[in-house]
Amino acid sequence: NAGVMQNPRHLVRRRGQEARLRCSPMKGHSHVYWYRQLPEEGLKFMVYLQKENIIDESGMPKERFSAEFPKEGPSILRIQQVVRGDSAAYFCASSPGQGRNTEAFFGQGTRLTVV
Amino acid sequence: AQSVTQPDIHITVSEGASLELRCNYSYGATPYLFWYVQSPGQGLQLLLKYFSGDTLVQGIKGFEAEFKRSQSSFNLRKPSVHWSDAAEYFCAVVIYNQGGKLIFGQGTELSVKP
Repeated sequence: NAGVMQNPRHLVRRRGQEARLRCSPMKGHSHVYWYRQLPEEGLKFMVYLQKENIIDESGMPKERFSAEFPKEGPSILRIQQVVRGDSAAYFCASSPGQGRNTEAFFGQGTRLTVV
Repeated sequence: AQSVTQPDIHITVSEGASLELRCNYSYGATPYLFWYVQSPGQGLQLLLKYFSGDTLVQGIKGFEAEFKRSQSSFNLRKPSVHWSDAAEYFCAVVIYNQGGKLIFGQGTELSVKP
């Protein structure tokens, strides 16, 4: 059973370009979470999705950021018109549910550098 | 609001010495707590978790943590540190009534002296 797969591992974008980050959850997991880790900081929650639904996007910046988790395929975190401040590591986690005693498993992350 | 505080940003210990990393949480209900480790350029690996029951929990790599409700703490310990333990350590609490998202502390960077 493969773990949570994120790609690409490293992504370089020029200011104003779009960044698309992909996350394939573990098999059987229908809950996906995205977190952002800015340099020298801890991880901050961005968005929680279930298949085809955004459940909680309270941590998402209001503009330029969007996320989806389609019925088929990976979850996508999309950043439009990237700026230098978007440079960070973006981690995806998946879980089989949100009930008690469940835990989330993390991917290796995508490190976005905006130049 | 729920929060997790790791008071120590950076700790240095000698190899073979004991280690304690502090974690305090603020959460109204029964907390479900985790410790993760992150090596440079890598993702997060779960060291241990506390859901209920015995307040002293054992994890991987010889780590343990003790949940103390009266102190709102969940400190991570290891009796003898190895050079390979040098990494960043994150404490987190899960908010189940908000979909299971994790609230992380700021992290503690551990350096190990030979």
